[in-house]
Amino acid sequence: AQSVAQPEDQVNVAEGNPLTVKCTYSVSGNPYLFWYVQYPNRGLQFLLKYITGDNLVKGSYGFEAEFNKSQTSFHLKKPSALVSDSALYFCAVRGNTGGFKTIFGAGTRLFVKA
Amino acid sequence: DTGVSQNPRHKITKRGQNVTFRCDPISEHNRLYWYRQTLGQGPEFLTYFQNEAQLEKSRLLSDRFSAERPKGSFSTLEIQRTEQGDSAMYLCASSRETTNEKLFFGSGTQLSVL
Repeated sequence: AQSVAQPEDQVNVAEGNPLTVKCTYSVSGNPYLFWYVQYPNRGLQFLLKYITGDNLVKGSYGFEAEFNKSQTSFHLKKPSALVSDSALYFCAVRGNTGGFKTIFGAGTRLFVKA
Repeated sequence: DTGVSQNPRHKITKRGQNVTFRCDPISEHNRLYWYRQTLGQGPEFLTYFQNEAQLEKSRLLSDRFSAERPKGSFSTLEIQRTEQGDSAMYLCASSRETTNEKLFFGSGTQLSVL
């Protein structure tokens, strides 16, 4: 069965500092990994995805994520946080064997302080 | 694209009543998904369609829940004999017909069962 764990309910960071939001996953076969963001009163929006190839993927708004197969992790990163990055971030996984459902983690709230 | 549209935005009902939600996906998207999200949790997979075929349904979904996508375009999610535990945000998403494709989410329907 597929599963996603986001071990931190909230991450606090000062504006201008680097940020990391952690994610680990479990899936049969090779994973397709995604990060989505949810701003207040808005729907979930796609940030980036890992399918294959380079372990470091770049996405929207300056975010990037690093795929680590041995640690089954896909942490979200940004070199310099902005106050406007404050939102709810969800890691998601889809397996490549049977079915196309995407499973989401519980989410991590990012709070960037000015 | 015009985005994924969900109606109504809010629904308040009394316990025991039936409710129906509608989702209009992005027009060229073959796949349509329903998720449920409660406060502080990530989206929980309910079911998905490829064109008009319902290919997977969560085992967590009781028989009171049913979804249809009769012509492979819009979809409806019906909850019969609602319970207070059904109170949640119901999200619809659509995607193109490739395994690694990202999901486009609607703004959701917030259900409150009194």
